[in-house]
Amino acid sequence: GAVVSQHPSRVICKSGTSVKIECRSLDFQATTMFWYRQFPKQSLMLMATSNEGSKATYEQGVEKDKFLINHASLTLSTLTVTSAHPEDSSFYICSASFEGSSSRNTEAFFGQGTRLTVV
Amino acid sequence: AQTVTQSQPEMSVQEAETVTLSCTYDTSESDYYLFWYKQPPSRQMILVIRQEAYKQQNATENRFSVNFQKAAKSFSLKISDSQLGDAAMYFCAFKPLLLYGGSQGNLIFGKGTKLSVKP
Repeated sequence: GAVVSQHPSRVICKSGTSVKIECRSLDFQATTMFWYRQFPKQSLMLMATSNEGSKATYEQGVEKDKFLINHASLTLSTLTVTSAHPEDSSFYICSASFEGSSSRNTEAFFGQGTRLTVV
Repeated sequence: AQTVTQSQPEMSVQEAETVTLSCTYDTSESDYYLFWYKQPPSRQMILVIRQEAYKQQNATENRFSVNFQKAAKSFSLKISDSQLGDAAMYFCAFKPLLLYGGSQGNLIFGKGTKLSVKP
């Protein structure tokens, strides 16, 4: 299957600082990437949809000025948590998908996730 | 809006036995994908099995099989000959099918079922 690499896997930052998380598709071009947040023992909640070359689409309740998403190329999307606070501590997961030879959607491929701790 | 419901927060199975995880969903779409993902303690999301809604035949992948009942909007996962390595969180997911461009459909997850395997 396709490979999605997410970096870093763990990060601890001080309150008020910004943290950037990278999501790369290593062996395919990802027209769309998704960013999820997962609280302990809970499901994945979609934060935003990132399309290459255009602005991200944020889900209701997600602050776009706090969670900056950039999808500058077909292989890289970044999520920057700005002015992080302890309540932003969570597990963040990206996924990428691409359109196969037909017009039908294919499965999503997930990164390894990033555990963010804000102290 | 589409929703995915997993009514079993936790399940337990004896090693080598069979277990079935339940999933129901709600949608007005006629064509879509359904998935089961496994999330072990490492938190890497791993695709277990997928089903295209337009296919009547139930998908199978080695010890994993599904019972897809489209009219009932039910998509259960059966794990045969359970192994200790099967212990994980299992998420059922729904993905709409978009044929005419625009953003790729994101996955909608259920709340998950924690599966324990007893030796």
